[in-house]
Amino acid sequence: DGGITQSPKYLFRKEGQNVTLSCEQNLNHDAMYWYRQDPGQGLRLIYYSQIVNDFQKGDIAEGYSVSREKKESFPLTVTSAQKNPTAFYLCASSMGLAGTDEQYFGPGTRLTVT
Amino acid sequence: SQKIEQNSEALNIQEGKTATLTCNYTNYSPAYLQWYRQDPGRGPVFLLLIRENEKEKRKERLKVTFDTTLKQSLFHITASQPADSATYLCARAAPSPGQNFVFGPGTRLSVLP
Repeated sequence: DGGITQSPKYLFRKEGQNVTLSCEQNLNHDAMYWYRQDPGQGLRLIYYSQIVNDFQKGDIAEGYSVSREKKESFPLTVTSAQKNPTAFYLCASSMGLAGTDEQYFGPGTRLTVT
Repeated sequence: SQKIEQNSEALNIQEGKTATLTCNYTNYSPAYLQWYRQDPGRGPVFLLLIRENEKEKRKERLKVTFDTTLKQSLFHITASQPADSATYLCARAAPSPGQNFVFGPGTRLSVLP
């Protein structure tokens, strides 16, 4: 089955700790994205990557970091510098960055930091 | 700034009626708009894409329109069913590489039996 997976589904961390969220796709897509979703708000883009070893900041990149060492993997690290990290995190992929390219989303990771 | 607005946070309709959801954009003219469905606690799923030169697009019970004069897209679900209850997101698709996707806040649709 082709798809995009995120793990874990729920994650709990103490304030001040870095945490890494996993995202893997076997769709052979070039582009991958990370979004954050808060209640009552739309998805906000954190980072995106068009190709291996290249990534760009989105609208809310502060306090986050990513890597793209393999085409199929795009992990997101939420650092202790992120002031309000508790949220629902969604990873997505698409064939490319064209406006006609639909995004395929993973099931999401709900991160709670206390 | 580039913004997508969806004018209803929540919409309740009776089963069998047509649901109409609105998406408005400001400060730019997107070449494409995409619509997604999101169920609680899950990732969005792509439904339809419409180009700026297309007035209307259909897929089964779904219909999307794109009015560049009004800067608005309407999303219709005809003969709605309780299984259509979900949050529907409108997104401005990047017209060129390097321009970010922008999602609206979504409209939560409840179809009442």
